[in-house]
Amino acid sequence: TQLLEQSPQFLSIQEGENLTVYCNSSSVFSSLQWYRQEPGEGPVLLVTVVTGGEVKKLKRLTFQFGDARKDSSLHITAAQPGDTGLYLCAGGSLDSGGSNYKLTFGKGTLLTVNP
Amino acid sequence: KAGVTQTPRYLIKTRGQQVTLSCSPISGHRSVSWYQQTPGQGLQFLFEYFSETQRNKGNFPGRFSGRQFSNSRSEMNVSTLELGDSALYLCASSPRQGMEPQHFGDGTRLSIL
Repeated sequence: TQLLEQSPQFLSIQEGENLTVYCNSSSVFSSLQWYRQEPGEGPVLLVTVVTGGEVKKLKRLTFQFGDARKDSSLHITAAQPGDTGLYLCAGGSLDSGGSNYKLTFGKGTLLTVNP
Repeated sequence: KAGVTQTPRYLIKTRGQQVTLSCSPISGHRSVSWYQQTPGQGLQFLFEYFSETQRNKGNFPGRFSGRQFSNSRSEMNVSTLELGDSALYLCASSPRQGMEPQHFGDGTRLSIL
């Protein structure tokens, strides 16, 4: 069974601070996705990374895929209250039969940015 | 472009009842996946449907079932409801089977009394 561990589970910071959240596994994934979920809504895709060592930037958000494709990090610079939400990572891989692609989700990091 | 639509948004049932949830995917998307989200377990994969056939299944009991219609709309059914079935049920669609990314609906909040 593939597992994705996200840390920290909860994070409360002040506006303007920087933060990093982590997504770790002992399994190799062919891709890694990050989603943000706000209260009362479904998750919304932020980014997909597919190459080991890949770094993607989305405004103040920087995503990195580990060289071995087992872990990922999300760094937010100068956090704003609008960044508040549940950040989920999801690893993509083929199942044991090799014919079905599946996503395994971490339990998420709940980020609160206080004004 | 309309997003993924799930109905109803909220539902209250009692133990032993059954429930059917509905999901309309983004137009042109043929794959629909269902997830259960709880505070303790996070997002857990239930099953995926593509071209009216179940293509992938998670580790849930047989009380959880689904189907997909020719217009790609999907329904999920849970029979003999248990207290532990209280959760947010999310539907996600994508253009092809297993194709990423997943476009999620806002979910159905199911509460079991």
